[in-house]
Amino acid sequence: GENVEQHPSTLSVQEGDSAVIKCTYSDSASNYFPWYKQELGKGPQLIIDIRSNVGEKKDQRIAVTLNKTAKHFSLHITETQPEDSAVYFCAASSGGADGLTFGKGTHLIIQP
Amino acid sequence: GAVVSQHPSRVICKSGTSVKIECRSLDFQATTMFWYRQFPKQSLMLMATSNEGSKATYEQGVEKDKFLINHASLTLSTLTVTSAHPEDSSFYICSARPGGAAYTFGSGTRLTVV
Repeated sequence: GENVEQHPSTLSVQEGDSAVIKCTYSDSASNYFPWYKQELGKGPQLIIDIRSNVGEKKDQRIAVTLNKTAKHFSLHITETQPEDSAVYFCAASSGGADGLTFGKGTHLIIQP
Repeated sequence: GAVVSQHPSRVICKSGTSVKIECRSLDFQATTMFWYRQFPKQSLMLMATSNEGSKATYEQGVEKDKFLINHASLTLSTLTVTSAHPEDSSFYICSARPGGAAYTFGSGTRLTVV
């Protein structure tokens, strides 16, 4: 089955700086890679996703890059703000009726 | 956007009793729903895939007789934790994929077994 590795487990950055979180996956059949933000006691919220036919996608301060050959994808958050503090999860799926395989999560801390 | 409604948000039950968690798709039909479990400070782990009108598919290591799944309609899936024990205390989250688009998650159910 799919295995998703995520690094780092904790990331502390100064407000206004950029944050990068990296994930690798093992199953070459995976073709959908979402990123979720989870706040304490709540379900995960989709912040951006990318499909395997695209190398990069951007939405305002958030971007995701995908390298299919190397089987890794990354989340980039620019101009970080205090409200970006949360746990972020990457995930992978081969689509259809398959569920998501999640990484272990990154606790992002934005220092004022 | 598509909404998945999950109830209850919190439940406390006594050891040995059963608890039912509901997951509803509010504005779309879901032939498939996914159930995840998340222990404190850990990731989400897929437990089972719920299929409307047929049996659920369970991930390896998940006891199907303990975690009963029913998906009797296109908008409702339920997860029943039977004979709950303290080690079943966790955050349970359901998800669906409306129209094959992005996965939408419920708000989760915090189960505490005392």
